[in-house]
Amino acid sequence: NAGVTQTPKFRVLKTGQSMTLLCAQDMNHEYMYWYRQDPGMGLRLIHYSVGEGTTAKGEVPDGYNVSRLKKQNFLLGLESAAPSQTSVYFCASSFGTSGREQFFGPGTRLTVL
Amino acid sequence: AQSVTQLDSQVPVFEEAPVELRCNYSSSVSVYLFWYVQYPNQGLQLLLKYLSGSTLVESINGFEAEFNKSQTSFHLRKPSVHISDTAEYFCAVSRPSGAGSYQLTFGKGTKLSVIP
Repeated sequence: NAGVTQTPKFRVLKTGQSMTLLCAQDMNHEYMYWYRQDPGMGLRLIHYSVGEGTTAKGEVPDGYNVSRLKKQNFLLGLESAAPSQTSVYFCASSFGTSGREQFFGPGTRLTVL
Repeated sequence: AQSVTQLDSQVPVFEEAPVELRCNYSSSVSVYLFWYVQYPNQGLQLLLKYLSGSTLVESINGFEAEFNKSQTSFHLRKPSVHISDTAEYFCAVSRPSGAGSYQLTFGKGTKLSVIP
């Protein structure tokens, strides 16, 4: 099993450009999450999904959109990138309820110039 | 509201010395508690978790954490650290977020540097 994979690993964007980050998991998990990690801030939840076709906002959703068209994939979109979105983005998945472990991908390092 | 406080942002310690990484949380409901570890340029990996039962939980690589409800703490300890323990450690609290789902709230992390 590959676990949770993320593409791309690195990306540099100019302000105003758009892009989509792809997360895929092969563990048949219902729940998927997108976090951003910034120095000294820990991880902050952007959006999450409790199942195929559903999404919900997390702690810092502004400037991002997500889609969960297939159970195994969770896409994070930036429609108009801003320098404040420079960060490392992590995707995670879990079976969901009651304190289940979240499994994390290796991350995508995004720089917005 | 719920928050997680990791009291030390950086902890340097000599190899084979003991270490304690502190974590306090605030929550109005029962929670589940986790420690995750992040090695350089990698994602997070679960180190250990407390769901219920014994308040002392252990990992396979010698770390342990004790849930203290009265002090709302979940400190991580290891009696003798190795160079390979150099990493960033995150404490996290899981709380219900509606529709049967749970969300993790992370602390800001503690960077453990093991000095040879």
